[in-house]
Amino acid sequence: SQQGEEDPQALSIQEGENATMNCSYKTSINNLQWYRQNSGRGLVHLILIRSNEREKHSGRLRVTLDTSKKSSSLLITASRAADTASYFCATDAVTGGFKTIFGAGTRLFVKA
Amino acid sequence: DVKVTQSSRYLVKRTGEKVFLECVQDMDHENMFWYRQDPGLGLRLIYFSYDVKMKEKGDIPEGYSVSREKKERFSLILESASTNQTSMYLCASSLVTDTQYFGPGTRLTVL
Repeated sequence: SQQGEEDPQALSIQEGENATMNCSYKTSINNLQWYRQNSGRGLVHLILIRSNEREKHSGRLRVTLDTSKKSSSLLITASRAADTASYFCATDAVTGGFKTIFGAGTRLFVKA
Repeated sequence: DVKVTQSSRYLVKRTGEKVFLECVQDMDHENMFWYRQDPGLGLRLIYFSYDVKMKEKGDIPEGYSVSREKKERFSLILESASTNQTSMYLCASSLVTDTQYFGPGTRLTVL
């Protein structure tokens, strides 16, 4: 099964609301990343959090990492219609070599 | 600005054809990757390369091969395309083992 699994699979919110997506993983990691993918396009890197960090901010994004629970969350505050996309977490396992493992993603719909 | 380009956005091929997907990056990155993306399965790694002429199998290499003759170019080859290879193919590159920069993707349909 996959290293990173996002929850929920799909999320629909109103513009202005906050969106929270979760990611769980199985093995020890060096870092965890979040990516966004607009429909039919490539992935865009959003933020990276290292295993010794607990929280990181970038603009309207807030990422937390709990290595004891092997989980991470991505919070998008004051969402906009342009935030509509799929969001993926990706993990670099300690023993994974060059491999970054992506989850199946959360599809976020932000209604105007 | 970082740029990864892929040779085609959309491609339609017939079963049994040989298919080449090209990826070029302009960032002097050591590492390059080929993924396929299917609904509900996320991204699955086909092959990656950490240096010119070096390649490593990913999770699903069967039916694919790759070529990296120059640092900036990483090609994915389907020797004999089959319908189950219909998918979105994404190329990425990275300098070290963290942030990957993705191309726009190639949506391949095999009839």
